[in-house]
Amino acid sequence: GQQVMQIPQYQHVQEGEDFTTYCNSSTTLSNIQWYKQRPGGHPVFLIQLVKSGEVKKQKRLTFQFGEAKKNSSLHITATQTTDVGTYFCAGRGANFGNEKLTFGTGTRLTIIP
Amino acid sequence: DAGVIQSPRHEVTEMGQEVTLRCKPISGHNSLFWYRQTMMRGLELLIYFNNNVPIDDSGMPEDRFSAKMPNASFSTLKIQPSEPRDSAVYFCASSLGTGGDSPLHFGNGTRLTVT
Repeated sequence: GQQVMQIPQYQHVQEGEDFTTYCNSSTTLSNIQWYKQRPGGHPVFLIQLVKSGEVKKQKRLTFQFGEAKKNSSLHITATQTTDVGTYFCAGRGANFGNEKLTFGTGTRLTIIP
Repeated sequence: DAGVIQSPRHEVTEMGQEVTLRCKPISGHNSLFWYRQTMMRGLELLIYFNNNVPIDDSGMPEDRFSAKMPNASFSTLKIQPSEPRDSAVYFCASSLGTGGDSPLHFGNGTRLTVT
């Protein structure tokens, strides 16, 4: 079945440093979504990417979808304490019969003030 | 907008007891999902419904788990009998569309502890 892996599993950064998490799928995706889960909270939708090579920005967050539509990344510039949480990618399979959304393993970001 | 509403927020029960988790999706959303989250296994899709019909229940661990959606505004996830390994946070989510092509809106979750 479809697998979606994220690296790193954990990331500790000094406040103000940049942060990147990478998402890799075992199969081609039709789209990819990113979610953020604060400690003790629930996943909250951030963005969806659909096109090959697509890049989208939300303030200090930059999201990218790979050319082959099998990988994606989230980059945060100049992290702040409010960025703390676990970031999940979720990919939808592109092949018939494999269209369900599969969540990645997540990257937990902690910020050192 | 009330969002997805789950109850209870916390449930502590003894092994062997029946547990029922409840979910009210966002009005107008036609897809509903049940996820389980643990440290070891992450976010796992248990089952999802589209227009109240179960579409994919391949993630349901075993026969002890069952889910229903009798109407567009209510769903339940039942575990009977419960076991300690069922301890986890259970999330319900809803979305427009058939699932995977529009954002999921998650409820606050039910933290289940089975002793």
